[in-house]
Amino acid sequence: GESVGLHLPTLSVQEGDNSIINCAYSNSASDYFIWYKQESGKGPQFIIDIRSNMDKRQGQRVTVLLNKTVKHLSLQIAATQPGDSAVYFCAENTQGGSEKLVFGKGTKLTVNP
Amino acid sequence: GAVVSQHPSWVICKSGTSVKIECRSLDFQATTMFWYRQFPKQSLMLMATSNEGSKATYEQGVEKDKFLINHASLTLSTLTVTSAHPEDSSFYICSARHSGGAGETQYFGPGTRLLVL
Repeated sequence: GESVGLHLPTLSVQEGDNSIINCAYSNSASDYFIWYKQESGKGPQFIIDIRSNMDKRQGQRVTVLLNKTVKHLSLQIAATQPGDSAVYFCAENTQGGSEKLVFGKGTKLTVNP
Repeated sequence: GAVVSQHPSWVICKSGTSVKIECRSLDFQATTMFWYRQFPKQSLMLMATSNEGSKATYEQGVEKDKFLINHASLTLSTLTVTSAHPEDSSFYICSARHSGGAGETQYFGPGTRLLVL
């Protein structure tokens, strides 16, 4: 299940299940979004991105859904594996504005064998 | 493609010394690089934006004289933590901006763990 700790929300799933990680973004003008995976002691790793003219984009085992109406982004991981255990961050950016990415708080995903 | 490296991966230094961290884009040119710091169990906090051939742009609250940034080429940016103190101990991560995918994606280095004694 999902819970909110002092710092990071956490999500625990069983191996083989599908995982859904949610993110609420802050700026209605943001038009580019990225999901990153960060394993302990490592830098963030690019997973998938999406522009605001799309509401869904699929990669290998991952799907990103964008709902601009409620400013919500989700990452779906199919057939979750132990190697998927990490902290997942969403990030938003406004093209034509600042080059800066604004990161969400992150969600810690734990995959139980 | 889009590989970013950092050196060193970890460093321990005495209080008052300076530490230089390098960030390189290995297979692409990056006119813009970014420096972040990350405390345990927290998100990434942007420190500054580094532009090749010009002065870095620092975020509010980040001391430019303490965190010196040099972006001398399209593949290298350096961050120097001057007169480091224990409160500077953190995980420092750089990223480089690369065109591709759906937009202007930032690719991150592996991070540098700094411990100031």
